[in-house]
Amino acid sequence: GAVVSQHPSWVICKSGTSVKIECRSLDFQATTMFWYRQFPKQSLMLMATSNEGSKATYEQGVEKDKFLINHASLTLSTLTVTSAHPEDSSFYICSAPGQGSQETQYFGPGTRLLVL
Amino acid sequence: GESVGLHLPTLSVQEGDNSIINCAYSNSASDYFIWYKQESGKGPQFIIDIRSNMDKRQGQRVTVLLNKTVKHLSLQIAATQPGDSAVYFCAEKSGGSYIPTFGRGTSLIVHP
Repeated sequence: GAVVSQHPSWVICKSGTSVKIECRSLDFQATTMFWYRQFPKQSLMLMATSNEGSKATYEQGVEKDKFLINHASLTLSTLTVTSAHPEDSSFYICSAPGQGSQETQYFGPGTRLLVL
Repeated sequence: GESVGLHLPTLSVQEGDNSIINCAYSNSASDYFIWYKQESGKGPQFIIDIRSNMDKRQGQRVTVLLNKTVKHLSLQIAATQPGDSAVYFCAEKSGGSYIPTFGRGTSLIVHP
């Protein structure tokens, strides 16, 4: 089946620094990828839709200048958390729809971010 | 038993028992439903899906039941094993959108 990877799997940073998270589709191309945030013991909340070659679409309440998304190729989307603060600490997960069926979503393993 | 509160609902079962995880969805226009399993520190994994023109679908050890009248979805796991311990999310989609809306999630704990 299709595989989505994320890097890094976890990151600890100081408050005020920026952190970049990569999402890659390993054996298929993805013109669209999705970024989710998940707080402990809560569900996944969609943050934004990453579109290859164009601007990302952000969900209501998500600051686009805070969470920069770049989808430079058909296999890579990046999420940069700028000037991270402790409240940005969360589990960030990306996903990509399958090629055969747009309804099937393949999720990455997630990136745990801890901002001190 | 099952408990619901401010924290994630939890279902505790004994190994070998059958588990039933429930989900209420909100959008009557939803026409596609998915169950995901999420182990601690990992991304969600697809388990089984069902379209709105069906009321039951079976997989390996899992069965999904859909009741559109009351907007209720359930996941039944037969002969539950310790490896089934995880958080289970239902998700719904409507129309041509391929972005699922995730439900609250239920934590399944299987005691050996």
